[in-house]
Amino acid sequence: SQQGEEDPQALSIQEGENATMNCSYKTSINNLQWYRQNSGRGLVHLILIRSNEREKHSGRLRVTLDTSKKSSSLLITASRAADTASYFCATGGFTGGFKTIFGAGTRLFVKA
Amino acid sequence: SQTIHQWPATLVQPVGSPLSLECTVEGTSNPNLYWYRQAAGRGLQLLFYSVGIGQISSEVPQNLSASRPQDRQFILSSKKLLLSDSGFYLCAWSPGQGSIIEKLFFGSGTQLSVL
Repeated sequence: SQQGEEDPQALSIQEGENATMNCSYKTSINNLQWYRQNSGRGLVHLILIRSNEREKHSGRLRVTLDTSKKSSSLLITASRAADTASYFCATGGFTGGFKTIFGAGTRLFVKA
Repeated sequence: SQTIHQWPATLVQPVGSPLSLECTVEGTSNPNLYWYRQAAGRGLQLLFYSVGIGQISSEVPQNLSASRPQDRQFILSSKKLLLSDSGFYLCAWSPGQGSIIEKLFFGSGTQLSVL
């Protein structure tokens, strides 16, 4: 069963706009990770946020975590055409130990 | 630096044929290793994971198996492929120290088409 569920499933924006993707999960977590996947390629780790953190920044990325609502959001500011990709949240934590469970992903399309 | 190699990149196989996908990791020791499958436009489904040589945990499949003959080698196999085995297969690793996983490193994937 999937732990993370992203929404929206797909998002189309203009270059320069901000893109926000949301993730919900079901069980207690130790951390939540966001990954990016270009079409037909492997996933690349973007950013990690631990359960005792509320917000993290990395370049144009901003991640928030609300453990009371079991949700996270990924904000990409000033998007570029090169940001076009699928974005996945993944939970790693106490349940299952070594397993990292991925959501279905948000497909982002940035129009130039 | 660590690298992960996964091959082949694409594979077309007839129904009922065997399968062997290989993944190797370089530059680290005792990694946790994973096989995921991704249906077109969908999320990742964890198939197998391994925390050490000969230690395999199966999450889902009935028709697939995995083996870890060496510390940094992970093999996904099938004796007889089904149409439903088609998909994008991804190998991944994470550092083996500790039980909390904070980052996975993925291979480039194998697109398997079973016809």
